[in-house]
Amino acid sequence: DAKTTQPPSMDCAEGRAANLPCNHSTISGNEYVYWYRQIHSQGPQYIIHGLKNNETNEMASLIITEDRKSSTLILPHATLRDTAVYYCIVGYGQNFVFGPGTRLSVLP
Amino acid sequence: DTGVSQDPRHKITKRGQNVTFRCDPISEHNRLYWYRQTLGQGPEFLTYFQNEAQLEKSRLLSDRFSAERPKGSFSTLEIQRTEQGDSAMYLCASSIIRTGGSYEQYFGPGTRLTVT
Repeated sequence: DAKTTQPPSMDCAEGRAANLPCNHSTISGNEYVYWYRQIHSQGPQYIIHGLKNNETNEMASLIITEDRKSSTLILPHATLRDTAVYYCIVGYGQNFVFGPGTRLSVLP
Repeated sequence: DTGVSQDPRHKITKRGQNVTFRCDPISEHNRLYWYRQTLGQGPEFLTYFQNEAQLEKSRLLSDRFSAERPKGSFSTLEIQRTEQGDSAMYLCASSIIRTGGSYEQYFGPGTRLTVT
C-alpha cells in the first residue's frame, strides 16, 4: 500500500497558485518525498523531491513540514497544461509505490 | 537530451501470443525499473535491476513474465501466453543513486499492450 494520502481531486483557476497536499505520517527518517505528475496516456513526469528542507525548481516548490509528516506541492502560476494526476511518493533506495494521486483540473 | 525510450509504443496481440518490450534507459543510470499501469490506477511496480542484476520482483510478476538486462544497458520485458488481463500500459524508468540516497526515477512514454 502507498505510504501517502492525497485528496482525489482539486480544481484551480488558471494563473493562480495550485497547492497540492500530501500526508505521509509514517515516513522514515531517511525517506525522501517525491512528486510526479502524469498527463493522460503519457509516462509519469518527475517534478521535484526533498528530504527535510523546502525545495524549489523551475517547475514547482515543495514545502515539507518540520515533523515531515506532510508536504505541499506548489505550482505558482497554474496553466491549462498543468491539468494532470499528481502523485506524492515517499521512498529510499527502492521501487516507488504509487497511490491514486490527486487529479488537478486547471480551469480557464 | 536522450531520456528513457520504449519500443514499441503500442502493441496489439491475440491471447496466447508472446510479446516482448524494450526499454533503453538514460545512459549513465544504473537502475532500471518496470511498472504496469491499468486504467484509472497509479503505476504498480513489477521489477527492478541494478546494472545487470535483477534485485527485486513483485508478486505481480507471474511466471509468464520475464525481464532481462544483459550487460546492464537496455532491458526487455517478455510476457508469454498473454491473457486479456495483461492489457495495460507497461512503463520503464531509470535512476541513479545520488549522494545522500535520493534516486529520482525518470519514466519513459510506456508501451500500451492490448490483448484481444
